[in-house]
Amino acid sequence: EVQLLGSGGGLVQPGGSLRLSCAASGFSFSSYAMSWVRQAPGKGLEWVSDISGSGGSTNYADSVEGRFSISRDNSKNTLYLQMNSLRAEDTAVYSCAVEMATSGHAFDIWGQGTMVTVSS
Amino acid sequence: SYELTQPPSVSVSPGQTASISCSGENLGNKYANWYQQKPGQSPVLVIYEDTKRPSGIPERFSGSNSGNTATLTISGTQAMDEADYYCQAWDSNTVIFGGGTKLTVL
Repeated sequence: EVQLLGSGGGLVQPGGSLRLSCAASGFSFSSYAMSWVRQAPGKGLEWVSDISGSGGSTNYADSVEGRFSISRDNSKNTLYLQMNSLRAEDTAVYSCAVEMATSGHAFDIWGQGTMVTVSS
Repeated sequence: SYELTQPPSVSVSPGQTASISCSGENLGNKYANWYQQKPGQSPVLVIYEDTKRPSGIPERFSGSNSGNTATLTISGTQAMDEADYYCQAWDSNTVIFGGGTKLTVL
């Protein structure tokens, strides 16, 4: 069974840092690009970042460029999101997602999400 | 930056057809994808590449995309279809989501 299990969320002060993880299982992790998507409380979906299967190519939303860094360890089947200089507006549920059995940049597999709260 | 615009809310009676629009500049030249999200749950892909349904998605869900507008159509809407729906496209190495539409079945 394909699974994505997010972890690492929590409460952090403004200006602080946090690293999220997404453990993948049930598929050939290194063969697929991976993404992070977030959803602030009561708000819509916002794409954050993605990374190619090899890890050699990354993209970021303007809202996090220069503060967040996406990476992956294919030997551990794990995706990461390093979040620095956190702001109150970064408060959201962060989910990892993958385009697996579809195309057109559509995410057909989603992790369960981990909550990040930025507050003093 | 590229933007996708959806109506905040749509209402439909059970058994009727619901249509949710998603507008963006020349959206018809890109692929539009649609997600359903129920409270407390992760999004579920219901339409990809404008018109395709993933395995397990009921046939009552269909999509179209032309010009500046993509449309998600739910035929014979059921109470279980009440949810938030998001359109999504890809442009210049970024993924864009619409603001979401709350579908109410009443």
